[in-house]
Amino acid sequence: DTGVSQDPRHKITKRGQNVTFRCDPISEHNRLYWYRQTLGQGPEFLTYFQNEAQLEKSRLLSDRFSAERPKGSFSTLEIQRTEQGDSAMYLCASRPLGQMNTEAFFGQGTRLTVV
Amino acid sequence: GDSVTQMEGPVTLSEEAFLTINCTYTATGYPSLFWYVQYPGEGLQLLLKATKADDKGSNKGFEATYRKETTSFHLEKGSVQVSDSAVYFCALSPYTGGFKTIFGAGTRLFVKA
Repeated sequence: DTGVSQDPRHKITKRGQNVTFRCDPISEHNRLYWYRQTLGQGPEFLTYFQNEAQLEKSRLLSDRFSAERPKGSFSTLEIQRTEQGDSAMYLCASRPLGQMNTEAFFGQGTRLTVV
Repeated sequence: GDSVTQMEGPVTLSEEAFLTINCTYTATGYPSLFWYVQYPGEGLQLLLKATKADDKGSNKGFEATYRKETTSFHLEKGSVQVSDSAVYFCALSPYTGGFKTIFGAGTRLFVKA
């Protein structure tokens, strides 16, 4: 399977705990994006990497959120001191550099439930 | 900033009915436009796209035309099936700012047999 892969698919955590999600993009895609989707809403942009450089962060990305892409391949999204409002689907997407008309390819997402 | 507005759902239709889901956008320049679909329990899938004015995207019987003059990208299908029941998202990707995708809120479609 050469699609975008996310792990885990589901995560239940207690309020106050830290969680980390992983995204493996399509191998030749330089651009990687994280989104958050809450029930009944469309995905909202969180952050974007071009290779290993984090080039843009949304105001939605509070100080408790951090994302990395250390070698320009897979990425991790960490949420510290989780709150119930963090419960959502976290989506990762990738697209190739230099192809302006290409769509983003999405992973299946990680569903986070904070109890 | 750039944004997408699509008609609220849910939309409930009988099988073989005609479907229209309205979508309008606000963007500087000429973004690419997309319709994504999310079936129950599954991830987002690209349904169709259009990258310049007057382009028509089509797939699986669905169509949408990039209308620059009305800043619209309405989704249509002539005869829906029960298997089309899903959430449909209109989206745009500007040619700036890292080409991130900006989504509408989604429209849930129910098709009854």
